[in-house]
Amino acid sequence: QVQLVQSGSELKKPGASVKVSCKASGYTFSMNAVNWVRQAPGQGLEWMGWINTNTGNPTYAQGFTGRFVFSLDTSVSTAYLQISSLKAEDTAVYYCARGFSSGCFDYWGQGTLVTVSS
Amino acid sequence: EIVLTQSPGTLSLSPGERATLSCRASQSVSSNYLAWYQQKPGQAPRLLIYGASSRATGIPDRFSGSGSGTDFTLTISRLEPEDFAVYYCQQYGSSPRTFGQGTKVEIK
Repeated sequence: QVQLVQSGSELKKPGASVKVSCKASGYTFSMNAVNWVRQAPGQGLEWMGWINTNTGNPTYAQGFTGRFVFSLDTSVSTAYLQISSLKAEDTAVYYCARGFSSGCFDYWGQGTLVTVSS
Repeated sequence: EIVLTQSPGTLSLSPGERATLSCRASQSVSSNYLAWYQQKPGQAPRLLIYGASSRATGIPDRFSGSGSGTDFTLTISRLEPEDFAVYYCQQYGSSPRTFGQGTKVEIK
């Protein structure tokens, strides 16, 4: 069965970096894009962008350029989200989600809580 | 960017009742690429409906989606206890993909 399993919660200080992993299984990794979605505490869902799992080409939504980097290790069917120069407002749950049917998301990781606090 | 506005913000209903959730887009959604998700506390969202009206795999037929252009509706024909949750619409007809702010369906 299709699964996306994300790395565990992180507690980071302002200015640090974090790398969240999303390991896919149960399907051919290169057949579907991986998207990233942010959910701040008590808030709604915000699409961050996606990465083409064939070419490795990332696309970032406005507001997620510069400090945010999507990457892949296709040898282990894993996508990564790296955030640098962390700020308190980056505190959120970050989800990876498999792209489906031209751009919705049919399978989601369980989410990774990133807390930024001094 | 397409802005999605969901209404109402909160819907208070009893099990067995019918729920009707609205999602209005600021401009027409290309190819009716509109999805609905359900999210329960502490869980990831779950895809319910895509393409405005197609049920995702394993979704019960009490969930149905309709609409086109700028106006879309998610209907839950008879609420089960497990249906009380937050529901989000999402458009994927244009970039950036955008979500509505959510509708909470709570037990009356």
